[in-house]
Amino acid sequence: QVQLKESGPGLVQPSQTLSLTCTVSGFSLTSNSVHWVRQPPGKGLEWVGAIWSGGSTDYNSALKSRLSISRDTSKSQVFLKMNSLQTEDTAIYFCTRSGFAYWGQGTLVTVSS
Amino acid sequence: DVVLTQTPPTLSATIGQSVSISCRSSQSLLHSNGNTYLHWLLQRPGQSPQLLIYSVSRLESGVPNRFSGSGSGTDFTLKISGVEAEDLGVYYCVQGTHAPRTFGGGTKLELK
Repeated sequence: QVQLKESGPGLVQPSQTLSLTCTVSGFSLTSNSVHWVRQPPGKGLEWVGAIWSGGSTDYNSALKSRLSISRDTSKSQVFLKMNSLQTEDTAIYFCTRSGFAYWGQGTLVTVSS
Repeated sequence: DVVLTQTPPTLSATIGQSVSISCRSSQSLLHSNGNTYLHWLLQRPGQSPQLLIYSVSRLESGVPNRFSGSGSGTDFTLKISGVEAEDLGVYYCVQGTHAPRTFGGGTKLELK
């Protein structure tokens, strides 16, 4: 069945770079897009970016200068890298498949010294 | 970027009551291919979001038929015909027509 699972450090220092991995199973990355969505504590959902089945990417306009999404299709993994982290980047980060029908459980990232 | 405005931000309901949530878009969500990619999600406390309705009015597999979606262009509505306790949480609309994708601000459904 379709599954997605996020992994990464729970704590990142301000100004450092966040690296997250979304490991998927049950579908092919060359046939489906994967999106990253984040949710600050107590707030709503924010679309972060996506990597499409062909490998191209789209990013949230406000995050574009700090963000990179890539993938390794042989390992069924999608990667998110965001630099110059600030406290306002503290959030649960989810990965989700195209169509938003399948979601990972999310991983909490706290930006703090 | 497309802005999705959801109203009301909070909705209080009794069990069995029917309620509606509005999602208005700053641009038409009709894609050049003729489809409209406006979806509705429910996020229960402490859980990942769950897809309820896709492409305006199509019920996701396994979702009870008390949920229904309607609308076109820039105005969309999610209706729950007879709220049940398991329906409590935050509802979001999300558009997949334009890049970048965007979410509405959410509507919290709580018990009166």
